[in-house]
Amino acid sequence: RKEVEQDPGPFNVPEGATVAFNCTYSNSASQSFFWYRQDCRKEPKLLMSVYSSGNEDGRFTAQLNRASQYISLLIRDSKLSDSATYLCVVNKKSSASKIIFGSGTRLSIRP
Amino acid sequence: DAGVIQSPRHEVTEMGQEVTLRCKPISGHDYLFWYRQTMMRGLELLIYFNNNVPIDDSGMPEDRFSAKMPNASFSTLKIQPSEPRDSAVYFCASSTEISPGQGRTNEKLFFGSGTQLSVL
Repeated sequence: RKEVEQDPGPFNVPEGATVAFNCTYSNSASQSFFWYRQDCRKEPKLLMSVYSSGNEDGRFTAQLNRASQYISLLIRDSKLSDSATYLCVVNKKSSASKIIFGSGTRLSIRP
Repeated sequence: DAGVIQSPRHEVTEMGQEVTLRCKPISGHDYLFWYRQTMMRGLELLIYFNNNVPIDDSGMPEDRFSAKMPNASFSTLKIQPSEPRDSAVYFCASSTEISPGQGRTNEKLFFGSGTQLSVL
């Protein structure tokens, strides 16, 4: 089983729709969680960190459920520019950091 | 700040040749990561360094791969001999971390633009 699992998609939704991604992680000792965004043929970039209390950044909302070991990302009022691959990232810390990426979920927003 | 700088951007080589990928992290960052990305396997962590010391190399596929960080501003990933299955995009990333005593840590990774490696 992969340490971080995501639905690969693709998700194809109309502009203005709300879309949600989930991600599960296998190691209960994981301590830090993030969503990264990767555009085609570009490097990944941090979208937002995910905190236990949940956090929101404009149209984006991230939630963490430690009991069920999953992380979610909600995008409201989607824009064409949101088309990208969204990577779930987990930092499994013990004596040192080990940052693991999920395979990513592809999102395509259509006009 | 110039960001993480990787070279070359593209590398095309023949099977059996030695390949060296280079990375300059952001000044002041004490973590450096090498990742490999393919369609089939996604983004895989190969190795990472903290303060120039290799901490975890369990992701390095086999002995043909080696990585060094001789100083805080430079790292290399070497493949010798290269094989067609090594074809991928190789990313270098750097970060720094707020000490745990200060509350929430910030482990934002800054990625370089990657090296597209093609082994024929």
